[in-house]
Amino acid sequence: AQKITQTQPGMFVQEKEAVTLDCTYDTSDPSYGLFWYKQPSSGEMIFLIYQGSYDQQNATEGRYSLNFQKARKSANLVISASQLGDSAMYFCAMRELDRDDKIIFGKGTRLHILP
Amino acid sequence: KAGVTQTPRYLIKTRGQQVTLSCSPISGHRSVSWYQQTPGQGLQFLFEYFSETQRNKGNFPGRFSGRQFSNSRSEMNVSTLELGDSALYLCASSERESGELFFGEGSRLTVL
Repeated sequence: AQKITQTQPGMFVQEKEAVTLDCTYDTSDPSYGLFWYKQPSSGEMIFLIYQGSYDQQNATEGRYSLNFQKARKSANLVISASQLGDSAMYFCAMRELDRDDKIIFGKGTRLHILP
Repeated sequence: KAGVTQTPRYLIKTRGQQVTLSCSPISGHRSVSWYQQTPGQGLQFLFEYFSETQRNKGNFPGRFSGRQFSNSRSEMNVSTLELGDSALYLCASSERESGELFFGEGSRLTVL
């Protein structure tokens, strides 16, 4: 079974609009961490934001915020005021801390920002 | 602080050969993980090392191996290369166990 599901293979968004990238996860481990990474065409994976399963508040980092809905096992990434430089692949990932503790990634969403 | 450095960046090999990829983590980071990225399979976990010990291993055949040295630098080796091993191999380091990963730019391997 897929542990991390990203249902949007690709998205097109107008510059300056907000965008939400979907991510659902599956785990029975009460202790886990959720991550979002950005991969531009250069190939390097860039860490964006982290949410721990016990964190009470949604994580925010600049223009990035994570909409964490624990009961729905959802960890959507919200990018406010999108920029052309946001065009990239975005990966949601999870680490199950009580289990094997390795980070596993979703298939990714390719985001295109239109001028 | 310098980022994660992977060498070589690009390489071409033929079937049956073997390859060694190198990864130097961010200074002070003791955990190194390796991932294989292909268009069809996405990012797949290979293994993770912490303080020279393998902590985790993904579902790859024994042809894939790795090690970590006392200075936290890591190498991965793929023996008897197959066409399907063509991929971007990403190395990531972490300051601590269970921390977020910081990735290098990857080594792109093409097997002919």
